Amino acid sequence: DTGVSQNPRHKITKRGQNVTFRCDPISEHNRLYWYRQTLGQGPEFLTYFQNEAQLEKSRLLSDRFSAERPKGSFSTLEIQRTEQGDSAMYLCASSSGTFREYFGPGTRLTVT
Amino acid sequence: KQEVTQIPAALSVPEGENLVLNCSFTDSAIYNLQWFRQDPGKGLTSLLLIQSSQREQTSGRLNASLDKSSGRSTLYIAASQPGDSATYLCAVKGGSEKLVFGKGMKLTVNP
Repeated sequence: DTGVSQNPRHKITKRGQNVTFRCDPISEHNRLYWYRQTLGQGPEFLTYFQNEAQLEKSRLLSDRFSAERPKGSFSTLEIQRTEQGDSAMYLCASSSGTFREYFGPGTRLTVT
Repeated sequence: KQEVTQIPAALSVPEGENLVLNCSFTDSAIYNLQWFRQDPGKGLTSLLLIQSSQREQTSGRLNASLDKSSGRSTLYIAASQPGDSATYLCAVKGGSEKLVFGKGMKLTVNP
């Protein structure tokens, strides 16, 4: 049983560098979501794809953030010119439209 | 704007107790409500999902209820075990695809 996978699991970067995370959803799930979670908080919605179309974006997703899902399968989340405030767990989830989301293990980003 | 609240933020209990975790939300126009479990440094595992037309869902020792009109949900854990120790999060889905989460409740079950 292959669930949602995310890579890398941990990323340490220096302020100002660019980082890219990858999410592989459950096979044939057409919906894919990105969330961000900081310590002691619940996850906050960033963006949502249905197939390859990005249908919803949060105001949290500043101009430095970009997400893609080029062929409707895996997705990437890129953060340009990272800031210390970007340090968080980045969670990816997928669903088939039956309303239950399946989350990946997350990518923990530390910006030094 | 939907807001989800979970009180208390943390709970420590001896093994064997029956537990009630509370969740409240401000906008009753929801499609569904989910309870998740999160272990330290890990992703989220969906425990129970209640559609807006339903009143409760059960899975093993877990039972979740939903009172949409009052904006409340409870997660009941029967006969708690040390393995139940985790953070429990409540999330609602309203007029869009996004889930709105509470901050979670950290549960510690002591042997």
